[in-house]
Amino acid sequence: DIQMTQSPSTLSASVGDRVTITCRASQSFSGWLAWYQQKPGKAPKLLIYKTSNLEFGVPSRFSGSGSGTEFTLTISSLQPDDFATYFCQHYNVYSLTFGGGTKVEIK
Amino acid sequence: QVQLVESGGGLVKPGGSLRLSCAASGFTFSDYYMTWIRQAPGKGLEWLSYISSSGTTIYYADSVKGRFTVSRDNAKNSLYLQMNSLRAEDTAVYYCARGGSYSDYWGQGTLVTVSS
Repeated sequence: DIQMTQSPSTLSASVGDRVTITCRASQSFSGWLAWYQQKPGKAPKLLIYKTSNLEFGVPSRFSGSGSGTEFTLTISSLQPDDFATYFCQHYNVYSLTFGGGTKVEIK
Repeated sequence: QVQLVESGGGLVKPGGSLRLSCAASGFTFSDYYMTWIRQAPGKGLEWLSYISSSGTTIYYADSVKGRFTVSRDNAKNSLYLQMNSLRAEDTAVYYCARGGSYSDYWGQGTLVTVSS
């Protein structure tokens, strides 16, 4: 099974900062990658699907990119509502795997 | 609007069983794959299973294969998770979500606690 490793596990940033979260796969895959945002006590919210497609209603400051084994989620200008935990998720036909999460904290 | 509402969680003893339900509304349930995902307290997300729109294709994570069974009733717009031989490490919030490859809508989750 493919393992997904997110880094960093915690990130301290200020409003207005450009933030990049990385997700590395244990092996190259041709499936899809998605990114979710989760706030305490809430269900995750889909941000990005198929590596780089922005989910409807998600602000354009979020973007996704990558291929092979390295994928990134970028927040171009961090807003107060963006302080949360972010998860990547790999999919192939037989299984899905989540990364361990990145908590974005206020600096 | 799309709504997914899980129910059936609670406290169960190790070795016990529990059946979770997920009631769907606001979309054509029979058109969509559905997924179960859980989150242990303070931990990350763990995919458990997905089921195809017709219910004919189901995949499970190794951690629950043979113990958990997913099913759906398209006539009732409902998804189910039968959990047997429960262990302490199964303690988590269980989410149902729409979609198989990625999930665009999630329920609010139901807490399952496995403890003696």
